[in-house]
Order: sequence, then structure tokens, then C-alpha cells
Amino acid sequence: EAGVVQSPRYKIIEKKQPVAFWCNPISGHNTLYWYLQNLGQGPELLIRYENEEAVDDSQLPKDRFSAERLKGVDSTLKIQPAELGDSAVYLCASSFDTGELFFGEGSRLTVL
Amino acid sequence: TQLLEQSPQFLSIQEGENLTVYCNSSSVFSSLQWYRQEPGEGPVLLVTVVTGGEVKKLKRLTFQFGDARKDSSLHITAAQPGDTGLYLCAGSSGSARQLTFGSGTQLTVLP
Repeated sequence: EAGVVQSPRYKIIEKKQPVAFWCNPISGHNTLYWYLQNLGQGPELLIRYENEEAVDDSQLPKDRFSAERLKGVDSTLKIQPAELGDSAVYLCASSFDTGELFFGEGSRLTVL
Repeated sequence: TQLLEQSPQFLSIQEGENLTVYCNSSSVFSSLQWYRQEPGEGPVLLVTVVTGGEVKKLKRLTFQFGDARKDSSLHITAAQPGDTGLYLCAGSSGSARQLTFGSGTQLTVLP
């Protein structure tokens, strides 16, 4: 069974440029998460979806970040415009009913 | 916002030594999970504890949930280089899908 797939693995952009990350969760998982992780620290939740509904986006900086999960499957996280402080790993995870989160390998963003 | 503090933040030990890492909060959690993350990978679940005082063992790893369900510990016996990684605790209150991660403990086991 395929795991959570994220792309791109690495992205380097200049500040003020836009960037988008894509996530394909495990088939059948109705809950999808986007986390931000700085080096050596724990993941911080950006947004959680139940099917196509964003049920927790309180930590998403809505002035520059946006996310969507059309049809309740794949999801896209966008940053526009990117700032230097956005450099981090963006992790996508999915879960079903057990509460166990399955993570992708992450998308490492470097903003120059 | 519920905070989970992990200690120590960094730990470097020799192969064969024992170690304990801690996860503490002022909040009560309905369940607590431990994950391990290796470089360039996402975190992988090790265990879930749900009952106060619960102890679970996974080979050389022993996990304990505090009686008050506010804290947890992970003890590793005879650490091996393969145990190297970032250990993360994550607490859930209310819905199991509302998960808050701790600050992490970076463990390095030297051969």
C-alpha cells in the first residue's frame, strides 16, 4: 500500500515568490494534516481537514498561506508571497479512525 | 494552546547505555503518542498510551503514561546506533484527531 506522497521534496525560491506543495494521502484516510517543522523541533499544525472541510486552521497565517482539499483527497498548500522565515519542512499526514498519523517525507523549503 | 515540553532537548550517549526522555505538560491528555523521526523522513508512530499509569513495552523501549495523564516517559535499554533519531511525543485531548506535538528530543547513539 502506498504511503503519503508529497512533492516537491525540495524547493528553493527567492523571497516574495509564490510556492505550492502537493500531498496525496493514503487511500481511504479522511483526515489530512499540514504541519510545519523547523530543524530539530516538533511539527506545528497549520491546518486539519476532515474530508474536504477545514476543521482547524487557527494556526494558518491566512495573509500569505492558503490550502485546499478539493474532492476530499489530494491537498495543496500555497504560500504567496514567501518570506525568509518560511524556510522549513512542510509535512503532510493523514489518518483514519485510529488516531495514528501517517506522514509523508516532507517538502523542504528554502527561501533566499 | 496546550504545550508539551520534552527533555532533554539533545542527548548523546554510547552504544549499550540506558536513557530516559521525558514529556511533560500542565494539561490532561486523553491519549499520548510517541513518534520517532529519522533525517529526511516523516515521524513514525511507536506507541499510543491511553490509560493513566499505563506501561507499554516495545522490545528495548518502555513507555509510561503518568497517573494524571499529564506526562509520559520513554526509557531505552542498551541503546543502539539504530535508535538515533528525533523522538516526539504528541498529546490528544478530546478528539483523537486533535494532536499537539512536543518540542522533541534529538538522540544520538554513538557506536
